[in-house]
Amino acid sequence: EAQVTQNPRYLITVTGKKLTVTCSQNMNHEYMSWYRQDPGLGLRQIYYSMNVEVTDKGDVPEGYKVSRKEKRNFPLILESPSPNQTSLYFCASRVPGQGFNEQYFGPGTRLTVT
Amino acid sequence: QQQVKQSPQSLIVQKGGISIINCAYENTAFDYFPWYQQFPGKGPALLIAIRPDVSEKKEGRFTISFNKSAKQFSLHIMDSQPGDSATYFCAACGTGSARQLTFGSGTQLTVLP
Repeated sequence: EAQVTQNPRYLITVTGKKLTVTCSQNMNHEYMSWYRQDPGLGLRQIYYSMNVEVTDKGDVPEGYKVSRKEKRNFPLILESPSPNQTSLYFCASRVPGQGFNEQYFGPGTRLTVT
Repeated sequence: QQQVKQSPQSLIVQKGGISIINCAYENTAFDYFPWYQQFPGKGPALLIAIRPDVSEKKEGRFTISFNKSAKQFSLHIMDSQPGDSATYFCAACGTGSARQLTFGSGTQLTVLP
């Protein structure tokens, strides 16, 4: 089954404790991205990757890191989480290129930072 | 900053009624306008998308109306069903190499049985 998986699905942590949210896709997509979803703000892009070893900032990159060492994986790293990073996070992937290509979203990771 | 404004924030419709969600954009450098549907506990999923050179696109009970001059587009759900209860996001796809999606703030639709 073609899908984007994220782990963990739920995470409660404390301020300053480094954490990683994993994302993996089995569709051989070159493009992957991370979003955060907050009430009243919709989805905002954190980082994206056009291909292996190619990453770039989205609209809200502060406090986050990413890496893309393999095509299928795109982990999101919070080096020192803060309460304002409490949010619902989604990983997504799609085929790149011209035209509109459907973006497939993972099931989400709900993060609470206390 | 690019923006897509979406309204209403929430919508309650009776079964069989028409649900209408509106979006407006500011930047003209968008070339696709998709709508996403999100059920609780799930990620958003593409529902329907339209190009700006088309004024209307229909897929089953879902229709996008697009007004390029007004920079507005809307989603119409005909014969709304309780199973349509979800959060709906409009979006605009940028024309750059990354083809970044800019999302609206979302509309929580409740269809009463």
